[in-house]
Amino acid sequence: GQNIDQPTEMTATEGAIVQINCTYQTSGFNGLFWYQQHAGEAPTFLSYNVLDGLEEKGRFSSFLSRSKGYSYLLLKELQMKDSASYLCDVADRGSTLGRLYFGRGTQLTVWP
Amino acid sequence: NAGVMQNPRHLVRRRGQEARLRCSPMKGHSHVYWYRQLPEEGLKFMVYLQKENIIDESGMPKERFSAEFPKEGPSILRIQQVVRGDSAAYFCASSPPSTTNTEAFFGQGTRLTVV
Repeated sequence: GQNIDQPTEMTATEGAIVQINCTYQTSGFNGLFWYQQHAGEAPTFLSYNVLDGLEEKGRFSSFLSRSKGYSYLLLKELQMKDSASYLCDVADRGSTLGRLYFGRGTQLTVWP
Repeated sequence: NAGVMQNPRHLVRRRGQEARLRCSPMKGHSHVYWYRQLPEEGLKFMVYLQKENIIDESGMPKERFSAEFPKEGPSILRIQQVVRGDSAAYFCASSPPSTTNTEAFFGQGTRLTVV
């Protein structure tokens, strides 16, 4: 089966750094995505990792270890607008996008 | 280039009625995915379609739910004889034909309320 685990909730203060972890067990693996979803809105793409290592994009970085089935999303210099749900999502197929398996999301609250 | 368009944004149906949710993918995208999100829960995959083909419907309930993506026009998710438990946000995503993984672009969702 497919299983994706993330913490349900996290809190942090403005200007801080927060790391959101994701572990997964899927029958296949062809990349891991992180999406951000504000309440009542559609998910928006943040990052994609298919090889081990760290991908940095501005204030956001994402790390992947395929052997451990583990990823994290690192958010630096937190801002109030970063309060949202962060979804870890694994693609399990090769030649086409295939199904995306989403975790339940981590609700991040940023306090002033 | 307009994004993924879903309509209606909000839909209220009485128990037993039919709900039709529409999704127009981004221009040039031929892959469409439907997801359901219950309150306080994550996105759950329902079905993956390409033009005139259902590729994977393993996440669709066996009864009352159906989806299509005709050669012309939007993709339709149909729920017959709706029940209260069908109340949820239904998101559609699209992606281009590609041999490598690429991000999916999501619509704003249709919020279905069954009363």
